[in-house]
Amino acid sequence: GENVEQHPSTLSVQEGDSAVIKCTYSDSASNYFPWYKQELGKGPQLIIDIRSNVGEKKDQRIAVTLNKTAKHFSLHITETQPEDSAVYFCAASKGGSYIPTFGRGTSLIVHP
Amino acid sequence: EPEVTQTPSHQVTQMGQEVILRCVPISNHLYFYWYRQILGQKVEFLVSFYNNEISEKSEIFDDQFSVERPDGSNFTLKIRSTKLEDSAMYFCASKGDGNEQYFGPGTRLTVT
Repeated sequence: GENVEQHPSTLSVQEGDSAVIKCTYSDSASNYFPWYKQELGKGPQLIIDIRSNVGEKKDQRIAVTLNKTAKHFSLHITETQPEDSAVYFCAASKGGSYIPTFGRGTSLIVHP
Repeated sequence: EPEVTQTPSHQVTQMGQEVILRCVPISNHLYFYWYRQILGQKVEFLVSFYNNEISEKSEIFDDQFSVERPDGSNFTLKIRSTKLEDSAMYFCASKGDGNEQYFGPGTRLTVT
């Protein structure tokens, strides 16, 4: 089955800096890659996603890149703010069920 | 904005007891899911449900687990005889026609 690895497990940055979280996946058939943000006491919330036919997608301060050949994808957050502090999960899934296999999560801490 | 709700937020039970975790998915969604997250570990898929039947399940979802949609609004997960290792956060999610799954806030299950 699919295996998703995520790094780093913890990321500490100063407000205004950029943050990058990286993931790799094992199943070349995976074609949908969502990213979730989980705040304390809440369930994961989708913040951005990318399909395998696209190399990059951007939404304001958040961008995702996908390298299908290398089977890795990354989340980039620019101009970080304290409210960006949360646990971020990458995931990979394939068409049909779109049931995600999650990475272990990255705890992002943005210091004011 | 519509959201997935889950009750209770925290359930404490003794080993061997039955528990029922409840979820109210978003009203016009047709696909329903349960996930669990053991403390410090990945979010893991348990089961998906569509058209009043299980569409997929993981190896974790053994005979001790069952799901039900008893009426038009609730979606439940039952664990027949809880074990210590069932202690985890359990997340319900629902999905409409698109790819995005909407997660509830979770139920923390503690088995003593």
